[in-house]
Amino acid sequence: QVQLVESGGGLVKPGGSLRLSCAASGFTFSDYYMSWIRQAPGKGLEWVSYISSSSSYTNYADSVKGRFTISRDNAKNSLYLQMNSLRAEDTAVYYCARWDYYGSGSYDYWGQGTLVTVSS
Amino acid sequence: QSALTQPPSASGSPGQSVTISCTGTSSDVGGYNYVSWYQQHPGKAPKLMIYEVSKRPSGVPDRFSGSKSGNTASLTVSGLQAEDEADYYCSSYGVFGGGTKLTVL
Repeated sequence: QVQLVESGGGLVKPGGSLRLSCAASGFTFSDYYMSWIRQAPGKGLEWVSYISSSSSYTNYADSVKGRFTISRDNAKNSLYLQMNSLRAEDTAVYYCARWDYYGSGSYDYWGQGTLVTVSS
Repeated sequence: QSALTQPPSASGSPGQSVTISCTGTSSDVGGYNYVSWYQQHPGKAPKLMIYEVSKRPSGVPDRFSGSKSGNTASLTVSGLQAEDEADYYCSSYGVFGGGTKLTVL
């Protein structure tokens, strides 16, 4: 069965950095685009970034462009999000999700999320 | 891209039907059949309920159905049950709606 397990969240001061990881299993990781999607407390879902199956293409929301970097290691079935220059407004639960780019266009599997809190 | 527009709330009594709308533009909802819907219970991760406008993943009850007309997609929940109370989000080409809180009265 498909599983996505995020880790790396925590409390960080404004201006600090954090690296999130997402361990994937139960499917051929290298065949799929992957995305990070976040949800601020009490708010809706916000797409953050995606990466193509071979890492050739990446894209970012304007709100994180230049500060966040998405990457993946297909040999390790892992997705990453390097977050720098963190701001209070980056506080959110971060989900990794499998994006069925070549099929339905939907996020068909999601991890349980990891909480990032940016506060002094 | 701007977020898709959903009503903030919807409600219905057990057994009734409720429809949630999702309005976009010809660049997203209206231009492609890549509309999906997600259910999220408090403290839980979102779950895919509908993809490609009207298709249901395995395991999703057929009480959930989707449709589209022009730039507006809709999710209909028939025969409402208590466990359907949740937040629902639409998405098209990676853009999300603001979410609709469905209350079962």
